[in-house]
Amino acid sequence: DAGVTQSPTHLIKTRGQQVTLRCSPKSGHDTVSWYQQALGQGPQFIFQYYEEEERQRGNFPDRFSGHQFPNYSSELNVNALLLGDSALYLCASSLQGVWEQYFGPGTRLTVT
Amino acid sequence: QKEVEQNSGPLSVPEGAIASLNCTYSDRVSQSFFWYRQYSGKSPELIMSIYSNGDKEDGRFTAQLNKASQYVSLLIRDSQPSDSATYLCAVFSGTYKYIFGTGTRLKVLA
Repeated sequence: DAGVTQSPTHLIKTRGQQVTLRCSPKSGHDTVSWYQQALGQGPQFIFQYYEEEERQRGNFPDRFSGHQFPNYSSELNVNALLLGDSALYLCASSLQGVWEQYFGPGTRLTVT
Repeated sequence: QKEVEQNSGPLSVPEGAIASLNCTYSDRVSQSFFWYRQYSGKSPELIMSIYSNGDKEDGRFTAQLNKASQYVSLLIRDSQPSDSATYLCAVFSGTYKYIFGTGTRLKVLA
């Protein structure tokens, strides 16, 4: 039973660039949420996707956008990168109606 | 006031002791509550979920929920050095939004 997978593992970008992170949910899951975790902090909710629609969003600017595909996989896009976007980006999947979330290994983004 | 509050620690307990981790939340309509364990450099791992008032036990872990006091806790019995990690409390608000606390760092001393 495959767990949540994310790619890439690490990424280094320059200020102003754009980045795309990818996530495949755990087998049988249909809902994907994205989080940003800064060092020493808890994960901060970015948004959640279900049925290819964004149905809830945290306090993140429009530079953060996403997509969910028919196979339930998802992408997180961040435009105009800032130094403060450096963090661990986590994807979590769950099944609609069952609210336990399972996290992927994360993508470490460094913006220089 | 933060939506989900945890003492950042570190909480130090001797091996074999009971570790008690606490979490308070502000949104009274919160429905579901979760505890995650996060080792340094790794992603959070779900260890307990609780949805109704009272206690829920799973092996060495017991989660306790008191919705009237807006309080959820995690007890770890017979603590082992391998339990040393950051424990994150998460609250599901019912509007498809999960709020995490900043985590409590637990150190189990051998």
